Amino acid sequence: SQELEQSPQSLIVQEGKNLTINCTSSKTLYGLYWYKQKYGEGLIFLMMLQKGGEEKSHEKITAKLDEKKQQSSLHITASQPSHAGIYLCGADGTGTASKLTFGTGTRLQVTL
Amino acid sequence: DGGITQSPKYLFRKEGQNVTLSCEQNLNHDAMYWYRQDPGQGLRLIYYSQIVNDFQKGDIAEGYSVSREKKESFPLTVTSAQKNPTAFYLCASLRQGQNQPQHFGDGTRLSIL
Repeated sequence: SQELEQSPQSLIVQEGKNLTINCTSSKTLYGLYWYKQKYGEGLIFLMMLQKGGEEKSHEKITAKLDEKKQQSSLHITASQPSHAGIYLCGADGTGTASKLTFGTGTRLQVTL
Repeated sequence: DGGITQSPKYLFRKEGQNVTLSCEQNLNHDAMYWYRQDPGQGLRLIYYSQIVNDFQKGDIAEGYSVSREKKESFPLTVTSAQKNPTAFYLCASLRQGQNQPQHFGDGTRLSIL
């Protein structure tokens, strides 16, 4: 079965600082989904990566998938308090997102 | 607005009691999912359904049951056989096809009295 490891498990950064969250798979990924979750709420879809070397950006968040399609990174530039939450990566092992395996999440706190 | 509605937001279960968590979607999605989230363990798949009147066990189905009588609804029953039901339960749905993300409800937090 596919396993996903996220690092770090938790992160505290000062507002305005940059940060990177990593997601590493034990197997080649058909697709990699990034979600954000606020405590006690559902998951909000951020981005999906499918091709080796692919990079996508939305506002101040950039996600990349390496050429071997086994590692993804999520980079936040100039962090803001609104970026605080839990970031989860989900791996697609079938090519259709019909069954995702999720990492354990990275808890991000942004201090003023 | 289209979306996924989970109810109730908070639920308490007594020993030996079955409880049912509701999940309704108006996105016209074919597939629906139930996940359990525990601190530090991410999301684990309980059951999923890709079509009405059909569903499959996920990784941790023991102690749970589901039904899919309507496309819009996928209720989850936590039975008395589930000895450690305290967790945050998330329902999701998916439009079948390439490059489509799963959409999530706001979750139900279940606790034991």
